[in-house]
Amino acid sequence: AQSVTQLGSHVSVSEGALVLLRCNYSSSVPPYLFWYVQYPNQGLQLLLKYTTGATLVKGINGFEAEFKKSETSFHLTKPSAHMSDAAEYFCAVSDGNTGTASKLTFGTGTRLQVTL
Amino acid sequence: DSGVTQTPKHLITATGQRVTLRCSPRSGDLSVYWYQQSLDQGLQFLIHYYNGEERAKGNILERFSAQQFPDLHSELNLSSLELGDSALYFCASSASGTSSYEQYFGPGTRLTVT
Repeated sequence: AQSVTQLGSHVSVSEGALVLLRCNYSSSVPPYLFWYVQYPNQGLQLLLKYTTGATLVKGINGFEAEFKKSETSFHLTKPSAHMSDAAEYFCAVSDGNTGTASKLTFGTGTRLQVTL
Repeated sequence: DSGVTQTPKHLITATGQRVTLRCSPRSGDLSVYWYQQSLDQGLQFLIHYYNGEERAKGNILERFSAQQFPDLHSELNLSSLELGDSALYFCASSASGTSSYEQYFGPGTRLTVT
């Protein structure tokens, strides 16, 4: 069974500081990995995804993530935080085998707070 | 705006009642997924439909059922409601039924059972 673990349910950074949100996955098959963001009272918006190919993935709003198979990690980073980045962030994994059920398994989420 | 629509936005009902949540996927998307988000369980996959056929079931209670219609919209039916069913219910759509395609989420339906 696949799973993801997000370390830190709350992360607080100053505006302009580096954002690092941690995600480790467990999967018996090559995983597909996703980061989603959820703003208050809204649905989930896809930030970026890793399927195959380049391990450094760039997403929207200046975010990027690096797939590290040796560390089973897919941490999300942004060089400089902005107040508008305050939200909840979810890491998710799906089975990388084409043709199988493609449900997403989510982590518990990390709430990012950005302070002045 | 993801292009996925869900109605109603809010629903308040009593224990024992039955409700229907509706989802319209993005134009051209064949897959519809349902997820439940609650404080204690987090985001949980419920069920996946692809082009009208059930593809996978997750942690969906027997009191819950879903279907996808020929026009590809989907409905999630929740019956014999309990207080613990109070949650946000999200629908997501995808172009395909395979893992590599991203899922686009609707704004959700907030269900409150009193």
